[in-house]
Amino acid sequence: DAKTTQPPSMDCAEGRAANLPCNHSTISGNEYVYWYRQIHSQGPQYIIHGLKNNETNEMASLIITEDRKSSTLILPHATLRDTAVYYCIVSSNTGKLIFGQGTTLQVKP
Amino acid sequence: SAVISQKPSRDICQRGTSLTIQCQVDSQVTMMFWYRQQPGQSLTLIATANQGSEATYESGFVIDKFPISRPNLTFSTLTVSNMSPEDSSIYLCSVSMDLGGNTIYFGEGSWLTVV
Repeated sequence: DAKTTQPPSMDCAEGRAANLPCNHSTISGNEYVYWYRQIHSQGPQYIIHGLKNNETNEMASLIITEDRKSSTLILPHATLRDTAVYYCIVSSNTGKLIFGQGTTLQVKP
Repeated sequence: SAVISQKPSRDICQRGTSLTIQCQVDSQVTMMFWYRQQPGQSLTLIATANQGSEATYESGFVIDKFPISRPNLTFSTLTVSNMSPEDSSIYLCSVSMDLGGNTIYFGEGSWLTVV
């Protein structure tokens, strides 16, 4: 499975959009981009995933570049409860997820 | 979606003992996996729990230390054998409903502290 690169930490003001970048330049054609987040002491929470088209759900939007080498997770109106570690993972159809260190997002009042 | 229950949620164990963690899903799933998260670290995949056959272990993990069972499509167990303080971690179960980019869900984890 391809590896990803994320900034170790980011800050965001409450109520503003949080844009979390992820590089996955070695992604293969059959690999999906997954985003999870983990709030302290809880299991990882699924946010969104996509193959090549942009995706949106009730939690977030996923923007994947045309060459699929990078993506951005957008939380449109960040709240204090969105403070967490966000993991960007690329994975094929094995179901296995290889976690990196993620981005620690701190939402500030 | 899938609802995943793990037991125990938390335990304190004596050095040298073994503990079995259970993972129960509310619907049949294709794949089940076990992860470990050591304090302050990210998640590390231990193994894929295969129904009716031996689990497939990732590099650095062996069956003698982490025996896994998966008797059916909704249940799996992970045993942490002969525990040492280094085994103090969160152990997490994850499931995939299907292949091909399907959503993968995680349980809330089992916090083990070895003293």
